[in-house]
Amino acid sequence: NAGVTQTPKFQVLKTGQSMTLQCAQDMNHNSMYWYRQDPGMGLRLIYYSASEGTTDKGEVPNGYNVSRLNKREFSLRLESAAPSQTSVYFCASSPPWGRNTGELFFGEGSRLTVL
Amino acid sequence: AQTVTQSQPEMSVQEAETVTLSCTYDTSESDYYLFWYKQPPSRQMILVIRQEAYKQQNATENRFSVNFQKAAKSFSLKISDSQLGDAAMYFCAYKGGNEKLTFGTGTRLTIIP
Repeated sequence: NAGVTQTPKFQVLKTGQSMTLQCAQDMNHNSMYWYRQDPGMGLRLIYYSASEGTTDKGEVPNGYNVSRLNKREFSLRLESAAPSQTSVYFCASSPPWGRNTGELFFGEGSRLTVL
Repeated sequence: AQTVTQSQPEMSVQEAETVTLSCTYDTSESDYYLFWYKQPPSRQMILVIRQEAYKQQNATENRFSVNFQKAAKSFSLKISDSQLGDAAMYFCAYKGGNEKLTFGTGTRLTIIP
């Protein structure tokens, strides 16, 4: 009954370092998303993937890359971390549009601090 | 592009009383979903309630209900008989045909014992 699993939960980086946030879902969902949450700004979409092999930019994609490795996994990479990327990152998944409820299922979030 | 606006950064309510959180949105689509998500201090995003735009009837989930005004593009959340466990950030969200979910900036709800 795992749902959406993100790793790591916490990470501290120095400016210029790289890292990858991992996300996996076991609900056989087609769509997966990466959001960042900052105080006073809500959740903003970084990238999303409507299906395996496809990815699209969201509202704030600069400084990030993504990989939809297979249907289950969607990773987010910071190639050269900057202090402006200090945030809480959420992965989410959903069934295809028109099926079920349109609801997104979220992971528990990953807090990233860039010094 | 769709936008979602929550004009109340913070709200407070006495325990057992009723509170209404406001949300407006802008879209040119006719078919979409609207949601209210709750984020307690644990950070986990929890779906509170959803509304399909084609349904005229307002959604209700126990103590939570919405007032959906499609023409006015308004989607408010009413919490009745507020409980201490309702204290959280509440986000209004819109999902249209492109499958992207757009969030408002959130309302922090405090419950006063």
